[in-house]
Amino acid sequence: GDSVTQMEGPVTLSEEAFLTINCTYTATGYPSLFWYVQYPGEGLQLLLKATKADDKGSNKGFEATYRKETTSFHLEKGSVQVSDSAVYFCALSPIRTSGSRLTFGEGTQLTVNP
Amino acid sequence: EADIYQTPRYLVIGTGKKITLECSQTMGHDKMYWYQQDPGMELHLIHYSYGVNSTEKGDLSSESTVSRIRTEHFPLTLESARPSHTSQYLCASSPGRIQYFGAGTRLSVL
Repeated sequence: GDSVTQMEGPVTLSEEAFLTINCTYTATGYPSLFWYVQYPGEGLQLLLKATKADDKGSNKGFEATYRKETTSFHLEKGSVQVSDSAVYFCALSPIRTSGSRLTFGEGTQLTVNP
Repeated sequence: EADIYQTPRYLVIGTGKKITLECSQTMGHDKMYWYQQDPGMELHLIHYSYGVNSTEKGDLSSESTVSRIRTEHFPLTLESARPSHTSQYLCASSPGRIQYFGAGTRLSVL
């Protein structure tokens, strides 16, 4: 079945450091890929998405590129801020289903210190 | 920005009580979902609906039940709450592949 694997957390960085959170997936065909973010005490928000190979999703300084050859969708940001402290989820939506069920990774807790 | 509302935000109840967690959305989305979130953050799909009068169980077995009588409303009910039901419950809706989440209900059963 479909699955998403994220790098284990928690991740702790200093402000302005470079961030990478690894995400790899297993799925048939070309799923859509997503990064969601969950700030403390809130629900999940869509951060960015990509729907086909080599697409780059970007938002709020975060980027991720859909790599079919490595089945990866790693999240990056060049300079993190304290306000980026949150839990980040990688997710996929299979191409074969007409609905929108998502398969989520385990989540990666990010803490950014001033 | 999607408008999806969950009430209550926090609930502390005793064992054996019946509870209903409310979820409403104003976007007219056909698809709605309930997730249970572990303290360790992992999300588990427990129920979903692709339209009125359509409900399905998700990947994680749950003693809760849901109903979908109106497009905008997708309540979750526990007939007899137990401490093992203590968790965060997240509701989401979707017009297609992107899901929009409510702020969640944090349930504690004593």
